[in-house]
Amino acid sequence: DTGVSQNPRHKITKRGQNVTFRCDPISEHNRLYWYRQTLGQGPEFLTYFQNEAQLEKSRLLSDRFSAERPKGSFSTLEIQRTEQGDSAMYLCASSLPSGYPNTGELFFGEGSRLTVL
Amino acid sequence: SQQGEEDPQALSIQEGENATMNCSYKTSINNLQWYRQNSGRGLVHLILIRSNEREKHSGRLRVTLDTSKKSSSLLITASRAADTASYFCATRADSWGKLQFGAGTQVVVTP
Repeated sequence: DTGVSQNPRHKITKRGQNVTFRCDPISEHNRLYWYRQTLGQGPEFLTYFQNEAQLEKSRLLSDRFSAERPKGSFSTLEIQRTEQGDSAMYLCASSLPSGYPNTGELFFGEGSRLTVL
Repeated sequence: SQQGEEDPQALSIQEGENATMNCSYKTSINNLQWYRQNSGRGLVHLILIRSNEREKHSGRLRVTLDTSKKSSSLLITASRAADTASYFCATRADSWGKLQFGAGTQVVVTP
């Protein structure tokens, strides 16, 4: 399977614990995005990378959230001191390098569902 | 914050009928994309329309874009039960920046 892979698929944790999610993008994609989605809502942008550079981070993202893409391949999203409001689906997506004929469509993984008790 | 708003929030139709959903956005865009999401799954790209285009077709999908009204519509013709999903519009302000998604339209197609 050469699609976007996310692990773990489900994570249940207690409030105050730290959690880390991993995303493996499609190998030739240099752009990687993280989104958060709650029930009944659309994906909310968190951050994105081009290769290892983090190009933009949402102002809504508190400093408890950190994302890395150290070698420009896989990425991790860490949430420190989790709160119940962090419960959501965390989606990762990747896309091809910019430029014609690429259209900039995102390829999404299946998501990592976080439940904070 | 989300850029787009879809209308209606939910749509229930029978197989064979057409489904139309609309998306309005707030700021100028480079392109607009539509995605589908089956329950509990990731999103799948359906179609992209650029700001200088007015209409595009892909199979049973037809997308229109009216930049003067900052709105787009997605039409699914001859719907099937397998089209049951949530549909999201997403906009991009520049050619390769972030995509911002709306809240989605939940479509249920009954046999």
